[in-house]
Amino acid sequence: GQNIDQPTEMTATEGAIVQINCTYQTSGFNGLFWYQQHAGEAPTFLSYNVLDGLEEKGRFSSFLSRSKGYSYLLLKELQMKDSASYLCAVKDSNYQLIWGAGTKLIIKP
Amino acid sequence: DAMVIQNPRYQVTQFGKPVTLSCSQTLNHNVMYWYQQKSSQAPKLLFHYYDKDFNNEADTPDNFQSRRPNTSFCFLDIRSPGLGDAAMYLCATSRDRSGSGEQYFGPGTRLTVT
Repeated sequence: GQNIDQPTEMTATEGAIVQINCTYQTSGFNGLFWYQQHAGEAPTFLSYNVLDGLEEKGRFSSFLSRSKGYSYLLLKELQMKDSASYLCAVKDSNYQLIWGAGTKLIIKP
Repeated sequence: DAMVIQNPRYQVTQFGKPVTLSCSQTLNHNVMYWYQQKSSQAPKLLFHYYDKDFNNEADTPDNFQSRRPNTSFCFLDIRSPGLGDAAMYLCATSRDRSGSGEQYFGPGTRLTVT
């Protein structure tokens, strides 16, 4: 079967750095996405990785290792508004998005 | 601004009473998706349209139906809602199914079944 694993919940301090990990086992690979979802709202796109390496976009960076089936989302200079769930999703060989359950990130002052 | 719109934002229906949720988009995207998301769970794909081509997920109950009368609009019909159908229903669009095209989500409709 296809599977995406992420930690259920993480806590970090305002101003700090946090890394949210995602491991996946899918039938084929056509890219990995990270989405942010605030409570009661729709997911919003953060990043896309299809090749190995690090993609940086402002305070957010995303890393991919295809050989390890592994990605992480790195959030720097954390702000209270970053409190949200972060969902990892992989496009499989049929271009279908397989979603993780999300990591709830709690930011403390 | 180009966007995905869902109406209503909150819907209350009675057990067994049919309900229709609507989605419209101004992005002119080819693909439209309907997801069901329950608290602290991953979004679950119910079906998607690639243009007029309808694709039903194997485990989507027959109770759920969809219509896409034109490029801009898509509807989710729940014929006989049960208590287990209470959830957030998310509509999303993408330019295409392949490659790097991300999905753009509407704000969702939260369905309550009484």
